[in-house]
Amino acid sequence: QVQLQESGPGLVKPSGTLSLTCAVSGGSISSNNWWSWVRQPPGKGLEWIGEIYHSGSTNYNPSLKSRVTISVDKSKNQFSLKLSSVTAADTAVYYCARVLLARSFDYWGQGTLVTVSS
Amino acid sequence: EIVLTQSPDTLSLSPGERATLSCRASQSVSSYLAWYQQKPGQAPRLLIYDASNRATGIPARFSGSGSGTDFTLTISSLEPEDFAVYYCQQRSNWPPTFGPGTKVDIK
Repeated sequence: QVQLQESGPGLVKPSGTLSLTCAVSGGSISSNNWWSWVRQPPGKGLEWIGEIYHSGSTNYNPSLKSRVTISVDKSKNQFSLKLSSVTAADTAVYYCARVLLARSFDYWGQGTLVTVSS
Repeated sequence: EIVLTQSPDTLSLSPGERATLSCRASQSVSSYLAWYQQKPGQAPRLLIYDASNRATGIPARFSGSGSGTDFTLTISSLEPEDFAVYYCQQRSNWPPTFGPGTKVDIK
């Protein structure tokens, strides 16, 4: 059973950089899957942020592309998200997820709330 | 970007009743549509992928149908644990997008 666990600071200052890591267990990050980040502002819907393959190939949401970097560490079986120049609008629960058949998200982390505030 | 519209916003039903949720895409997504269930404080859970395939461990009371621009999620007989928010999601066109959700609550 694949499990994902997000970790990182729960509070980030405006204009700073949000950094999160997703640890994968019960499966290899080098499997034939993409790995994604999805976020959900409090009380709102879901927004796809971007994804990475174990080769390092990435795809980003055009609405966030200029501020997002996703990287992978195969030795630690984990992948990471960096979102720069954050504002209050970036306050959300951030989820990592595995991509099934390059189309849907079958395994999710529990999510971590990141608040942008001074 | 493909916009997904879900209806109704809220569906008030009793346990044992049938729930029919709709998702409409602004342009064709072929059969590349998924459905998720989300309960308060929890991550979304994949129910249906590729419009009509149940994900691993999903009860048979959940079924999906449709193709192109119009899709339906049906819960044949609501169990108490089914009261939640349901989202549709497409990945036919870039970027992947989600619908705004339908809340199924207890009448």
